[in-house]
Amino acid sequence: GESVGLHLPTLSVQEGDNSIINCAYSNSASDYFIWYKQESGKGPQFIIDIRSNMDKRQGQRVTVLLNKTVKHLSLQIAATQPGDSAVYFCAENGPGRRALTFGSGTRLQVQP
Amino acid sequence: DTGVSQDPRHKITKRGQNVTFRCDPISEHNRLYWYRQTLGQGPEFLTYFQNEAQLEKSRLLSDRFSAERPKGSFSTLEIQRTEQGDSAMYLCASSPGSHTDTQYFGPGTRLTVL
Repeated sequence: GESVGLHLPTLSVQEGDNSIINCAYSNSASDYFIWYKQESGKGPQFIIDIRSNMDKRQGQRVTVLLNKTVKHLSLQIAATQPGDSAVYFCAENGPGRRALTFGSGTRLQVQP
Repeated sequence: DTGVSQDPRHKITKRGQNVTFRCDPISEHNRLYWYRQTLGQGPEFLTYFQNEAQLEKSRLLSDRFSAERPKGSFSTLEIQRTEQGDSAMYLCASSPGSHTDTQYFGPGTRLTVL
């Protein structure tokens, strides 16, 4: 079935390094993609989104890259900080679909 | 704080009991969503409202589940005759209904069925 998945379940980085979290999606009709950060016991927190008419979008310390050819999405976090430690989810939807389809998440661990 | 709020944050109940959760969306957000999340998994869509109309329900929403949004503002999710498999985090999200329509999530209600 249609799904959104992540390549790595756990990513460990040193404080100050850049982090890259990857995500693959299977529905070629998907046109809206979001990255969420979820800390333990809390709801998902919006980080950044991108529409399919864009390849790249930048926020504060975060960049999302979209490769529609291979149906791949990535989240880059610059100068990773201990406060970035959390589970990161990519999610997507498309025309006529209000529901978001989430992947299973990648846990980011930042080592001091 | 003008974010999405949910009540209660935690609920422990015995199997067979009924439970009801409440969600207050961001003010003036037209769309409201319920998701369920089990440990280690991403949220799974349950249902969605546009104002007071329930427009979509997933197959996960069995007959024991019912959701309402009577005045187009807050919403309730009721689970009747709870089962241990209902134990999960129940998340509510809202979106403005604009072109971008980003969904913003609340803190969730953690349900434990004993």
